[in-house]
Amino acid sequence: GIQVEQSPPDLILQEGANSTLRCNFSDSVNNLQWFHQNPWGQLINLFYIPSGTKQNGRLSATTVATERYSLLYISSSQTTDSGVYFCAVNPTGNQFYFGTGTSLTVIP
Amino acid sequence: DAGVTQSPTHLIKTRGQQVTLRCSPKSGHDTVSWYQQALGQGPQFIFQYYEEEERQRGNFPDRFSGHQFPNYSSELNVNALLLGDSALYLCASSLALQNTEAFFGQGTRLTVV
Repeated sequence: GIQVEQSPPDLILQEGANSTLRCNFSDSVNNLQWFHQNPWGQLINLFYIPSGTKQNGRLSATTVATERYSLLYISSSQTTDSGVYFCAVNPTGNQFYFGTGTSLTVIP
Repeated sequence: DAGVTQSPTHLIKTRGQQVTLRCSPKSGHDTVSWYQQALGQGPQFIFQYYEEEERQRGNFPDRFSGHQFPNYSSELNVNALLLGDSALYLCASSLALQNTEAFFGQGTRLTVV
């Protein structure tokens, strides 16, 4: 199956700092989504971004499908941004392949 | 518009027992997929249901089975539970035949003792 690598695995930020999370994948995909997993386990949709750039408030994402990577930018981080961020890719429209996640801790 | 709903939210079972988890997809969605997430790992695909049939299956044993009903809701059944089946089980809904956004439920946390 397709390989998905996320970096860094862990990130600790001071409140107000900016960060970039990276997702590399090994094959072409039809769907790429970024999720934030809350402490109760629910995967919250951040972006559906198989290609191009999108922004939503302090978050933005860019996927360069031809080079098989995606970036998630978090600006002016807040303590509520803490949690695990997952990149998931879907090459055929059926199965998502998830990375191992980036665990973000924002300290006040 | 209700999102993806799963029940129950938590469950404790004894080794060897059987369990059934339930999922109602987002309104307008016709495809349901199930994932298992062990502690500290990313979710792993179990299987996907569309038109009441299993369309694709991940690397899980036959102890894991499922069903989709005419109203698109779905069940995940696990027989002969093992301690290693303890995990968060996530349901995702989407639209078949289209590359559209998938949505996940809040999950069912299963503990096998």
